[in-house]
Amino acid sequence: DGGITQSPKYLFRKEGQNVTLSCEQNLNHDAMYWYRQDPGQGLRLIYYSQIVNDFQKGDIAEGYSVSREKKESFPLTVTSAQKNPTAFYLCASSMKEDRGRYEQYFGPGTRLTVT
Amino acid sequence: ILNVEQSPQSLHVQEGDSTNFTCSFPSSNFYALHWYRWETAKSPEALFVMTLNGDEKKKGRISATLNTKEGYSYLYIKGSQPEDSATYLCAWTTDSWGKLQFGAGTQVVVTP
Repeated sequence: DGGITQSPKYLFRKEGQNVTLSCEQNLNHDAMYWYRQDPGQGLRLIYYSQIVNDFQKGDIAEGYSVSREKKESFPLTVTSAQKNPTAFYLCASSMKEDRGRYEQYFGPGTRLTVT
Repeated sequence: ILNVEQSPQSLHVQEGDSTNFTCSFPSSNFYALHWYRWETAKSPEALFVMTLNGDEKKKGRISATLNTKEGYSYLYIKGSQPEDSATYLCAWTTDSWGKLQFGAGTQVVVTP
């Protein structure tokens, strides 16, 4: 089955540690996105990538980093510089060139807790 | 501050009743509006992508309308069923890159 996988489902880290969240897709999509969800707020865009070896900052990129070495993979690193890392993180992908007008496909998410 | 507002935040519906709720967004620089359904413990799934003023889309008992001039979209659920219980998200974009701005969602609970 084609889809997006995120691992792990739950992740716990100590404050001051970097942590990397995995996102893999086998949909052959060019574009991939990372969102963050906090209680009572809409999903907020962290980073997005339109093609391999290229990515751009979203609305809340500070304290995060990404890489896009393969079409299938778009890992997100939450660095110790992120002031409030505890959140639910969603990865998404999109196929068509005109991505604003086509749906995004989402993974199941990773809930990160930093104490 | 969210540019995209959804109301109400939550609503409870009796099985068989119809309901609707609103997504408001800036009317300037409109490119597209997305609706997603997010069931508990699942991934968000696309319902509609709407691009033209006056658009109406339908999927089963769920339909949506779009008014880009005044900056709102309505989502309707006809004859609600328990399986319609979910959070419904709308997202607005001003460009072709797929950079979506999401509302906080409307949580719908359908009780038998």
